[in-house]
Amino acid sequence: DSGVTQTPKHLITATGQRVTLRCSPRSGDLSVYWYQQSLDQGLQFLIQYYNGEERAKGNILERFSAQQFPDLHSELNLSSLELGDSALYFCASSVGEDRWDTEAFFGQGTRLTVV
Amino acid sequence: LAKTTQPISMDSYEGQEVNITCSHNNIATNDYITWYQQFPSQGPRFIIQGYKTKVTNEVASLFIPADRKSSTLSLPRVSLSDTAVYYCLVGGANFGNEKLTFGTGTRLTIIP
Repeated sequence: DSGVTQTPKHLITATGQRVTLRCSPRSGDLSVYWYQQSLDQGLQFLIQYYNGEERAKGNILERFSAQQFPDLHSELNLSSLELGDSALYFCASSVGEDRWDTEAFFGQGTRLTVV
Repeated sequence: LAKTTQPISMDSYEGQEVNITCSHNNIATNDYITWYQQFPSQGPRFIIQGYKTKVTNEVASLFIPADRKSSTLSLPRVSLSDTAVYYCLVGGANFGNEKLTFGTGTRLTIIP
């Protein structure tokens, strides 16, 4: 158990809909990362938050957005869903302080299926 | 972050030592080298990290030559449960300020 909790584990929804994925980081971790992994594909970095603020952005679509709340949990919002958005979505957290911080802990992921 | 290059796939027999090499020619002075393991439908898991020479833990060793332009992850006496994708990452000492970017990884298959 990495200590990172993602909910829900599975989600099935129709095209055009909007969903919210939730991530609770490890206790004490300030950085949260979101990744998308399509079938047999690599991990695509989407976005990173640090202590409530956006820190880095990857290949995140405009239909997707995220935020990190004061209690440090994060949500990834996916809207106007398309079939191609079906994937595993991972959240990771790390300490994120100004020191040696290179180990990230990943959740078990949310499997999103768009039908 | 420095770009990394790894073999796409490797096969090995149970009980053998497996070495996976990662090239990172433009590694910066402050960059560390980190390896992750990912099983199907699971999140990646940290394996080992190093800066130079050799690092060893209970599951793997990491060899880094003096020029640091490459690194080798060594898995001793692999078993079927080591079948996974292995990712090499190179980045600064503070991932809190950088994207944690994964490459395509190496798909390792252990043969009985």
